[in-house]
Amino acid sequence: AQSVTQPDIHITVSEGASLELRCNYSYGATPYLFWYVQSPGQGLQLLLKYFSGDTLVQGIKGFEAEFKRSQSSFNLRKPSVHWSDAAEYFCAVGAGGTYKYIFGTGTRLKVLA
Amino acid sequence: EAGVAQSPRYKIIEKRQSVAFWCNPISGHATLYWYQQILGQGPKLLIQFQNNGVVDDSQLPKDRFSAERLKGVDSTLKIQPAKLEDSAVYLCASSLASWEGNTEAFFGQGTRLTVV
Repeated sequence: AQSVTQPDIHITVSEGASLELRCNYSYGATPYLFWYVQSPGQGLQLLLKYFSGDTLVQGIKGFEAEFKRSQSSFNLRKPSVHWSDAAEYFCAVGAGGTYKYIFGTGTRLKVLA
Repeated sequence: EAGVAQSPRYKIIEKRQSVAFWCNPISGHATLYWYQQILGQGPKLLIQFQNNGVVDDSQLPKDRFSAERLKGVDSTLKIQPAKLEDSAVYLCASSLASWEGNTEAFFGQGTRLTVV
C-alpha cells in the first residue's frame, strides 16, 4: 500500500537559517510526489511537484526538493527561511491510475526572529 | 480562474445532529476529493469521485457519512448523526484526471466542524 512518512512533527529554525523537511514514501512504481503548505485556517497550496525527469525540482517561494529513488525520499529544502514560512508542510504521493493523493502527517515549522 | 469553493467555513453542531457541506470544484476538473483533517494530522481521503462516479470510498464511515456529486460538478458531504470524533476540517479538492503537465490537486479553504 502507498504511504508517506514525515518523521519530524515539529521543526524550529531561526530566520535566515537553512531548512530541510524530510519525506519518505512507499510506492511500488515511479511515484508522483508533491509538497503542499498550509497556513492557519487555510487550505493547502502546492509548493512543488515531481513527475519525472530532473530529480531536483524548484518550486514557489524559493523552495526546492530532491527525489532520491534509492532512499525513497523527497526532502524539501530552502536555503534561507523567512518568518512568513511558518506553516505546516505536507508531503504527498500520487497513486497512479486512480489519481489519488496520499498525505503524510505533516511537519509544523516555527521560525524564530 | 476561480478556485475550489466550499461552504460553510465554520459549523458547530451538537452530537447526533446532522450537517452538510458543499463544494464547487474548479470548472472542468473531473476528479473531486473530500478529505478529513483532524487537528494535528494530515488530510485523510474520505471519498474520491471521477465525474459523478465513486472511485474510492474505502475510508468513508458509511454508517454515518454520505456524499454525492450530481451531474459531475458540485458535491455535498453529509454526516448523520454526528459524533464528537467527527470534529475536524473537511477539505474539498479537485484535479484533472491526469498526471501530465500542470496537474495538481487544488484545495478549498475547508469547513471547520466542531461537534459538541
